[in-house]
Amino acid sequence: DTAVSQTPKYLVTQMGNDKSIKCEQNLGHDTMYWYKQDSKKFLKIMFSYNNKELIINETVPNRFSPKSPDKAHLNLHINSLELGDSAVYFCASSRWTQGEQFFGPGTRLTVL
Amino acid sequence: DQQVKQNSPSLSVQEGRISILNCDYTNSMFDYFLWYKKYPAEGPTFLISISSIKDKNEDGRFTVFLNKSAKHLSLHIVPSQPGDSAVYFCAASATGANSKLTFGKGITLSVRP
Repeated sequence: DTAVSQTPKYLVTQMGNDKSIKCEQNLGHDTMYWYKQDSKKFLKIMFSYNNKELIINETVPNRFSPKSPDKAHLNLHINSLELGDSAVYFCASSRWTQGEQFFGPGTRLTVL
Repeated sequence: DQQVKQNSPSLSVQEGRISILNCDYTNSMFDYFLWYKKYPAEGPTFLISISSIKDKNEDGRFTVFLNKSAKHLSLHIVPSQPGDSAVYFCAASATGANSKLTFGKGITLSVRP
C-alpha cells in the first residue's frame, strides 16, 4: 500500500502553461511538504503545511501555489511555467514538524 | 550558502567491507540529523537519525556518528552489500515550531560484488 503517492510521475509541457501536481498520503500524518530537486541535485524545501495551514514558505515565486484541501492532500499548482522550473518535485509527510519524513516517488517536470 | 555539505560526490566499496559516508554542517543550531537513501526514480527513504544529545546511533548494519565540536557526522555501513548502492543524503534540522530539513547534495555509493 503506497504511503505517499504523487501524480503524475512525468510531466512534459510548454513554457507559459499552467500545471498541477497532486500528492496524497495515507499515513495519517499532520505535516506535508513540497521539495524541489534541481539539476544540481540539491533537495530544497518549498512549502510545508501542518493541519492544512501553511507553516513554511521558502523564497518560492508566486507562480507556485500549494493547496491543501485536507490533511491527507497537498497539491502544487504552477502558473506560467518557465524553463527553470524543470526539476523533480517531491512530496513528503511527517507526523510532526520535526522528524522522519516519508517521501513520494517524485514528479519529473520538463518545461520545453 | 550550503549549510549541509557532502563533499565527496561518490564512493566505491567492495562488498563485505565498510562504507563510510561523511557529512559536515555549518549551522550550530542544528540538533537533529538524518540520513536518507535514494534509488533512481524513487523518493528518498529514511535510513537512520541521531539527536545532538547522542554521539552514536546504531541500527543493524548502519551506524551514525556525530561529532558536534567538529560539526561532522558520518554513516557507517558494515558489511556493505550490493543492494546498498544508492545515493545517500545527509539532512539536518533545528528545533522549532517550523523546523525544516536542510539536505546535502548526496553521495553516490557503489558496492562492487
